[in-house]
Amino acid sequence: QSALTQPASVSGSPGQSITISCAGAFSDVGGYNYVSWYQHHPGKAPKLMIYEVTNRPSGVSNRFSGSKSGNTASLTISGLQAEDEADYYCSSYTSSGTRCVFGPGTKVTVL
Amino acid sequence: QLQLQESGSRLVKPSQTLSLTCAVSGGSISNGLYSWSWLRQPPGKGLEWIGYVYHNGITQYNPSLKSRVTISLDKSKNQFSLNLNSVTAADTAVYYCASETGYYHFDYWGQGTLVTVSS
Repeated sequence: QSALTQPASVSGSPGQSITISCAGAFSDVGGYNYVSWYQHHPGKAPKLMIYEVTNRPSGVSNRFSGSKSGNTASLTISGLQAEDEADYYCSSYTSSGTRCVFGPGTKVTVL
Repeated sequence: QLQLQESGSRLVKPSQTLSLTCAVSGGSISNGLYSWSWLRQPPGKGLEWIGYVYHNGITQYNPSLKSRVTISLDKSKNQFSLNLNSVTAADTAVYYCASETGYYHFDYWGQGTLVTVSS
């Protein structure tokens, strides 16, 4: 059982925008600005897409954006493209002792 | 850009030691900017951070695994390793190595390797 909660799946048509939520607690998402998001195509290395809630690493498309409100963080993908079809995981620092926690992942399907 | 690649035993017997190595290219593990982590994902479950080793050898482990885990550097080979002893079926997972350059996020990952604990 994951410490963070994500929807199992989200889908959208090419060109649309979708948002993936990541719900936690004050001890992780709500209390710290250390939320990150990862894109994972099965069989490949996971890729960092967003760090510290809103920051994009160099080379990541500006179609990906992150935000946070209270204990819930969100990843928005705008202008959805076929290549965005993947699993997306959120992660957060936690004061619980395990240092960081992850969500169970959300499968994004491009219709 | 860093590249990481896991290698090691894919099948481990219960009670034995799981050993994996992560080869790093595109950067030096001696670089003080990085720490080097291991994570895992059991089948059908979420990701779990196992621990990290800093460039100077300082380590930190997940409290739930601390008694069984050792992570170490091999600077001569530019790689770092994971040893997990007294394994059980619950340790069956895809194991990933990853780098950290900032705060609590993993910049680069290996592809992951499935390790099965079974007799």
